[in-house]
Amino acid sequence: SAVISQKPSRDICQRGTSLTIQCQVDSQVTMMFWYRQQPGQSLTLIATANQGSEATYESGFVIDKFPISRPNLTFSTLTVSNMSPEDSSIYLCSAEGLSRGNTEAFFGQGTRLTVV
Amino acid sequence: AQSVTQLGSHVSVSEGALVLLRCNYSSSVPPYLFWYVQYPNQGLQLLLKYTSAATLVKGINGFEAEFKKSETSFHLTKPSAHMSDAAEYFCAVSPGGSGTYKYIFGTGTRLKVLA
Repeated sequence: SAVISQKPSRDICQRGTSLTIQCQVDSQVTMMFWYRQQPGQSLTLIATANQGSEATYESGFVIDKFPISRPNLTFSTLTVSNMSPEDSSIYLCSAEGLSRGNTEAFFGQGTRLTVV
Repeated sequence: AQSVTQLGSHVSVSEGALVLLRCNYSSSVPPYLFWYVQYPNQGLQLLLKYTSAATLVKGINGFEAEFKKSETSFHLTKPSAHMSDAAEYFCAVSPGGSGTYKYIFGTGTRLKVLA
C-alpha cells in the first residue's frame, strides 16, 4: 500500500488568511484527490488533480477558493483561500491504487483546520 | 447519481458482542463498495472492498461484509468486538471505470466498545 503524508496535520488560522496543505506520496501516481470532511458530515470530493493538467473541481467547489497544484507525480497542494469559520474541516488527500488491478484509493492522515 | 447511507452515527457494543454497522447504497451501475476505518488523528485505512467478485468479503481485523444487491446493502460485521475496534467507520461507493477513485462516502458511524 502507498504511504501518503500530509502537512500540516492541524492548524488554527485567522479568518481572511490562506493555508496551503501539502500531500506527498511515496510512489508516482497519476491521479490524486482532495476531500473535505466538515464537522459531523461525510467526506466530500473537492477536486481531482492530475499531473500536467488543471485540476477538475466538483460541483460547489471553485478554483479561486481552492487552488490546487500538481507539479509532479508524487506531490500536490491544496490552498484554502480567504478562509472563514465555515472552512473549518478536515482536508484529506488521496491517491489511486498503485498496482495494476488495484481498485482502492489510499488516504493521507488529514489536515484538521480550524478558522477563528 | 450514487449515494451512500449509513444508519446510526453512533453505535455502542459491549466487548465480545457482535458488531453490525449498516450501509445502504444507491447506484445505477454495478458499484465498487468499500469500508474504511479512521482511528483518532489518523487517515483512512481500508478494511475491505467489494468489486463484483464474491459477495461475502473478508477484511482485516476480523471484519467482513456481505454485498446484497436485492437489498442494496453492504453491512459490516464482526463476531466479537474488541476494545481496539473503537473508531469511526465509513462506507463508500464508486462507479468503477474512469470514476473508480472518486468516492462517495457515507456520513460515518462512530463505534464505541464498552468494557
